[in-house]
Amino acid sequence: AQSVTQLDSHVSVSEGTPVLLRCNYSSSYSPSLFWYVQHPNKGLQLLLKYTSAATLVKGINGFEAEFKKSETSFHLTKPSAHMSDAAEYFCVVSPNSGGYQKVTFGIGTKLQVIP
Amino acid sequence: DVKVTQSSRYLVKRTGEKVFLECVQDMDHENMFWYRQDPGLGLRLIYFSYDVKMKEKGDIPEGYSVSREKKERFSLILESASTNQTSMYLCASSRMGGGTGELFFGEGSRLTVL
Repeated sequence: AQSVTQLDSHVSVSEGTPVLLRCNYSSSYSPSLFWYVQHPNKGLQLLLKYTSAATLVKGINGFEAEFKKSETSFHLTKPSAHMSDAAEYFCVVSPNSGGYQKVTFGIGTKLQVIP
Repeated sequence: DVKVTQSSRYLVKRTGEKVFLECVQDMDHENMFWYRQDPGLGLRLIYFSYDVKMKEKGDIPEGYSVSREKKERFSLILESASTNQTSMYLCASSRMGGGTGELFFGEGSRLTVL
């Protein structure tokens, strides 16, 4: 069994300040973890993924996330928010096993960036 | 540029109509998925397919069916649309195996049932 919890449904930051989007997971397996971004009226795009290699994962557009097994967390960060970062972000957990995937999505965090 | 294409971005249908949502991917992926996205509920899996003519129920299959006659095409069918099926529908694809693969998404089909 697996689940994912995004701790904030909305986050608001000023342009140029750091971004922190929080995600906790539970999994019976050693999971793969992902962050996706969805801009308005668009599909989801992969930001970054953790697949049991380095625990600090760098993604596109300056985002990164750190896998912390002891805390079962995979928080997404960015040092300095840009207006174009305003979007909805989804944390996703997937069993790290063969065959077809069964992934679980968080409910999403909407990031607002204030000029 | 790899792509998942959903042919209809916006649809308005009446209660009881049959609705077809089409999805085509050009990446030769084995897996294809249909999700429903509603505010506050995230993405919920309706059906997925891991091969031609193969399908598996997801978390919310009631009121939906699917068809996969060709590897690149995965269709979602609402046999008799109801107002509670008003939603955003997202198609995705991925490679077989590993459980670590990225999902590639289409831009979504926003369905309104009146």
